[in-house]
Amino acid sequence: QSALTQPRSVSGSPGQSVTISCTGTSSDVGGYNYVSWKQQHPGKAPKLVIYDVSKRHLGVPDRFSGSKSGNTASLTISGLQAEDEADYYCCSFVGNYTYVFGTGTKVTVL
Amino acid sequence: EVQLVESGGGLVQPGGSLRLSCAASGFSLSNYWMHWVRQAPGKGLVWVSRINSDGSTTNYADSVKGRFTISRDNAKNTLYLQMNSLRVEDMAVYYCARANNFDYWGQGTLVTVSS
Repeated sequence: QSALTQPRSVSGSPGQSVTISCTGTSSDVGGYNYVSWKQQHPGKAPKLVIYDVSKRHLGVPDRFSGSKSGNTASLTISGLQAEDEADYYCCSFVGNYTYVFGTGTKVTVL
Repeated sequence: EVQLVESGGGLVQPGGSLRLSCAASGFSLSNYWMHWVRQAPGKGLVWVSRINSDGSTTNYADSVKGRFTISRDNAKNTLYLQMNSLRVEDMAVYYCARANNFDYWGQGTLVTVSS
């Protein structure tokens, strides 16, 4: 199973919006509504941000939102803040109880 | 408070074995699927394995199938990963994560495979 494709990096100024794409196939992203997004700060463990495509995890600010169209899922961070600077990974159910992560995207707050 | 604490990592020679543990607290492990995910130095997250709530069903990434075994002891609230025939490419931080959404993660334990 190949990793889902994400842009290597995206950047934005504080207050701006950024969107991270996560492209897979009809066998993973396109086939199930089980896409999640994780945030990882340097040297820290990942944290769940979004699950089931668009549901926010407990305590996650509403400036984080998720969506999906066809084989591509997206994470949008609106009103970018300094603490949002981190690596973000998408993850999709693949069927037969297996999963695949994306390649990861570094978000930089300018 | 949900907590997951991994242990058991360390230095091992190629071909060697290690058993990782993940101690859960703040919730009953028996109610949740659990996963192992790894991250090589400077690289991305890679799903390794999953086990259902009672341990009757397990699944593995192709890269570890036949070498790694996931198991659990719900009475001890602990998840395990037995890693055999370790390769240099298995070197990574190994995380345990809870549930199908990976909603909580441990801090990770480092496995170094080197001669």
